[in-house]
Amino acid sequence: GAVVSQHPSWVICKSGTSVKIECRSLDFQATTMFWYRQFPKQSLMLMATSNEGSKATYEQGVEKDKFLINHASLTLSTLTVTSAHPEDSSFYICSAWGDGETQYFGPGTRLLVL
Amino acid sequence: SQELEQSPQSLIVQEGKNLTINCTSSKTLYGLYWYKQKYGEGLIFLMMLQKGGEEKSHEKITAKLDEKKQQSSLHITASQPSHAGIYLCGAHQTGANNLFFGTGTRLTVIP
Repeated sequence: GAVVSQHPSWVICKSGTSVKIECRSLDFQATTMFWYRQFPKQSLMLMATSNEGSKATYEQGVEKDKFLINHASLTLSTLTVTSAHPEDSSFYICSAWGDGETQYFGPGTRLLVL
Repeated sequence: SQELEQSPQSLIVQEGKNLTINCTSSKTLYGLYWYKQKYGEGLIFLMMLQKGGEEKSHEKITAKLDEKKQQSSLHITASQPSHAGIYLCGAHQTGANNLFFGTGTRLTVIP
């Protein structure tokens, strides 16, 4: 199946700093990518839909100025958590439709804000 | 809004036993996806069902979608420790391209 990678897999940062997470589709092009967040023992919650060459669409309750999304190419979307705080600590996962029928997920990025 | 309810929330079985996980939707499903997630990792695609009454199998895992397309079940035969993880059902959001997910079922298989 299609492969989606994420980098970094782990990040620890101080409160107030910004963190960038990359999501890449390795063997296919993705005009749309999705960013999810997962808190411990909870399911995935969609944060935003990333669209290549245009603005991202954010879900209700997700601050677009805090979670900046850039989908600059057909294989790369980035999520930047600006001025991170401890409550932003979570597991962030991206995904993309690999073959039109199946959504493939990255391995996730665990963010810990101290 | 549409919701997906999974049951049970957690399941502990002895190796070799069969088990079933259920996913129930509040509305008709247009595409039901099953994924497996190991703790702290991404989601691994298992199967996708679209038609009412559809059934698919892969190795020891069988997924079914009922005729009304509001309930799906995932059945594991002769469970192994490698089956342990969190099983998530997902479906298309109405009018959107993304998937939304059920509450998840945490499976533990005791050797």
